[in-house]
Amino acid sequence: GQNIDQPTEMTATEGAIVQINCTYQTSGFNGLFWYQQHAGEAPTFLSYNVLDGLEEKGRFSSFLSRSKGYSYLLLKELQMKDSASYLCAGADSNYQLIWGAGTKLIIKP
Amino acid sequence: DGGITQSPKYLFRKEGQNVTLSCEQNLNHDAMYWYRQDPGQGLRLIYYSQIVNDFQKGDIAEGYSVSREKKESFPLTVTSAQKNPTAFYLCASSIRAEVYNEQFFGPGTRLTVL
Repeated sequence: GQNIDQPTEMTATEGAIVQINCTYQTSGFNGLFWYQQHAGEAPTFLSYNVLDGLEEKGRFSSFLSRSKGYSYLLLKELQMKDSASYLCAGADSNYQLIWGAGTKLIIKP
Repeated sequence: DGGITQSPKYLFRKEGQNVTLSCEQNLNHDAMYWYRQDPGQGLRLIYYSQIVNDFQKGDIAEGYSVSREKKESFPLTVTSAQKNPTAFYLCASSIRAEVYNEQFFGPGTRLTVL
């Protein structure tokens, strides 16, 4: 079956670093997406990885290991506005996205 | 400005009534999607369309219907057959599903059945 697993909730301190993990099982694999979703709003695209390694984009980085079926999103210099849910989604052989339940990130001052 | 619009933002309906949720995009995207989001769960695919006049069922299509008569529009009807329709509904689009499927989302419609 197809499955995406990520922690339900994480807490971190403003200015710190946090890593949100995601493990995936998909029928075929055509990349791994990370989206940010603030409460009551639409998800917005953060990153896409299809090759192994780290992709850095400002304060956010995303890592992929295809052999381990594993990805993480790294957020540096946390700001209060980073309080949101972070959704991991794997693209299967038909390029359909399989979504995780999301990780709610709580930032404390 | 290009984007996806959904209306209305909040919708209330009585049990037993059908209701149609609007989704319009001016991004010239071929593919469009409808998702349902419930608390503590991931996005679940209801229907998707890769081209005008064609659409496929997703994982939870029962009790829903769609049409794709125009490239820009993909309305979703929640019928009285849907057992638990109260949820947050998200519409999305992507350039083409076959190569790279970054999806762009509308603001969502929160449906409450009274």
